[in-house]
Amino acid sequence: DAKTTQPNSMESNEEEPVHLPCNHSTISGTDYIHWYRQLPSQGPEYVIHGLTSNVNNRMASLAIAEDRKSSTLILHRATLRDAAVYYCIPYNAGGTSYGKLTFGQGTILTVHP
Amino acid sequence: DVKVTQSSRYLVKRTGEKVFLECVQDMDHENMFWYRQDPGLGLRLIYFSYDVKMKEKGDIPEGYSVSREKKERFSLILESASTNQTSMYLCASSPPWVMNTEAFFGQGTRLTVV
Repeated sequence: DAKTTQPNSMESNEEEPVHLPCNHSTISGTDYIHWYRQLPSQGPEYVIHGLTSNVNNRMASLAIAEDRKSSTLILHRATLRDAAVYYCIPYNAGGTSYGKLTFGQGTILTVHP
Repeated sequence: DVKVTQSSRYLVKRTGEKVFLECVQDMDHENMFWYRQDPGLGLRLIYFSYDVKMKEKGDIPEGYSVSREKKERFSLILESASTNQTSMYLCASSPPWVMNTEAFFGQGTRLTVV
């Protein structure tokens, strides 16, 4: 499994953009990059995923480096509800992975009013 | 809305008891997973199932077993609960991996073994 490195914690102010980095230098060519977040006292929830191209959805944007060794989750305007632990997860879309998710320590995002 | 429902939010059991944690999903998903989450250790996969009656060990299966008799239901069994199994348990479901789509998690069961 590819290893990931994320900052332990980050802080932001409400209404400001947040860039959450993830290093995944050992990612394989068939691994997608999935992001999940876990709000306090809840189970994780899916945020976004991508392979090579940048991706946007209603929750966030995902910018993937050209060499695929890193990616950045972008929250365009942080709200208090975005305070959570964010996980970057290489997702093996082949073989016998069966869609298993391997969670690292993630980044604790604090949003200040 | 997609729902993964875990039978209990909080549970207190005695050492040596047999404990059943139940998980039900309503999206007709093939895959189901059990994780535990501990401070400093993150989420770790215990067992998963990719079809009815099929099961595979995850990273920390010792002390646990699972049962999947129906597609929508995945049970985690602690044969003889021990204090080191005090943890938050999270169930998840997802379509087959080939769809490369999201997994859905339940709210979690906080189990305390005394």
